[in-house]
Amino acid sequence: ELELVESGGGLVQPGGSLRLSCAASGFGFSNYWMHWVRQVPGKGLQWVSRIRGDGVATDYADSVKGRFTISRDNINNMVYLQMNSLRVEDTAIYYCVRLLNADYWGQGTLVTVSS
Amino acid sequence: DIVVTQSTDSLAVSLGERATINCKSSQSVLHISANKNALAWYQHKAGQPPRLLFYWASSREVGVPDRFSSSGSGTDFTLTITSLQAEDVATYYCFQYYSIPWTFGPGTKVEIK
Repeated sequence: ELELVESGGGLVQPGGSLRLSCAASGFGFSNYWMHWVRQVPGKGLQWVSRIRGDGVATDYADSVKGRFTISRDNINNMVYLQMNSLRVEDTAIYYCVRLLNADYWGQGTLVTVSS
Repeated sequence: DIVVTQSTDSLAVSLGERATINCKSSQSVLHISANKNALAWYQHKAGQPPRLLFYWASSREVGVPDRFSSSGSGTDFTLTITSLQAEDVATYYCFQYYSIPWTFGPGTKVEIK
């Protein structure tokens, strides 16, 4: 059964760091681009980042470029999002997503940036 | 960056009536070589992850009821629910994947009148 399970969310102060993890199972993980999409509570969706199946190519939204780093481990079927220099406006539910190509979303993990 | 807009923030429609949501991108999302528009529609209900309804502007995802339809090309797109059901209450987002950074529209909340 296909599954994406996010973890690592929590409360962090502005300027702090957090690393999100996503455990994937039930599909040929290394064949797929993987994405992070976030939703500010009560507001809209924002595409954050993506990483190609081989882990070589990555892309980012302008608002996180230079602060966030996406990576993956194709041995253990994991995707990561390292978030540094966090801002209050990064507060959101972060979803790990196999986007569009047999679209599938995890349940999300909440990141709260607050002093 | 491509900016995606939706014509209305919210929409109240009676059960069984038609709901129409318009979406506009700041530049064309048509892949000329493939003759496909890199535009998708998502449905998002509270407490759940978003659900893909359409991709390539008009290709229906498996399991999406046929009361949902999608059309458009270039910069202008429309999602239609022909006979609104109670379970269709949600926020609907259009999403362009023509160029990085990929971008969502602001969403249209559909409610029952």
